[in-house]
Amino acid sequence: DTGVSQDPRHKITKRGQNVTFRCDPISEHNRLYWYRQTLGQGPEFLTYFQNEAQLEKSRLLSDRFSAERPKGSFSTLEIQRTEQGDSAMYLCASSLTIGEQYFGPGTRLTVT
Amino acid sequence: GENVEQHPSTLSVQEGDSAVIKCTYSDSASNYFPWYKQELGKRPQLIIDIRSNVGEKKDQRIAVTLNKTAKHFSLHITETQPEDSAVYFCAEKFGNEKLTFGTGTRLTIIP
Repeated sequence: DTGVSQDPRHKITKRGQNVTFRCDPISEHNRLYWYRQTLGQGPEFLTYFQNEAQLEKSRLLSDRFSAERPKGSFSTLEIQRTEQGDSAMYLCASSLTIGEQYFGPGTRLTVT
Repeated sequence: GENVEQHPSTLSVQEGDSAVIKCTYSDSASNYFPWYKQELGKRPQLIIDIRSNVGEKKDQRIAVTLNKTAKHFSLHITETQPEDSAVYFCAEKFGNEKLTFGTGTRLTIIP
């Protein structure tokens, strides 16, 4: 499969725990985006990278959230001290510098 | 992009009829307008897009129109089929920035 992949697909965690998600973009894509989607809503932008540089972070991204793309390939999104409000689908997308964004299958996070 | 309004939130059409979904945006600098289809539990899939230098684009049964003056764009699906049932999201962006999505339209095709 040469599309965007995400791992894990589902994560259940207790409030206060830390979680980390991984995204592998389409191999030649230099841009990588993280979005969050709650039930009945469209995806909301969180942050994006061009190669290894994080170029923009949304106001939605509190200091409990951190994202990295150390080698300009895969990316990780970490949420520290999870809260019930963090429960959502976390979507990753990738694109060329100028091009369409293709989404991964998402990681569904449930915080109990 | 700043804000995207999408209407209607739900739409039911008889199989074979046409469906139209409309979006309005506020940022006059927006220059790229994709449409995504999302089936239950699956990833958003790009189905068609249009750039600001074009007024209309068509791909088989799907077409998108853009009115830059009025800042709105629409998705048209003709000869609808049961497999067209899904949630559709419009989106917009300026340059290489992030996508701003509408709130979605749940389309149901009635056999």
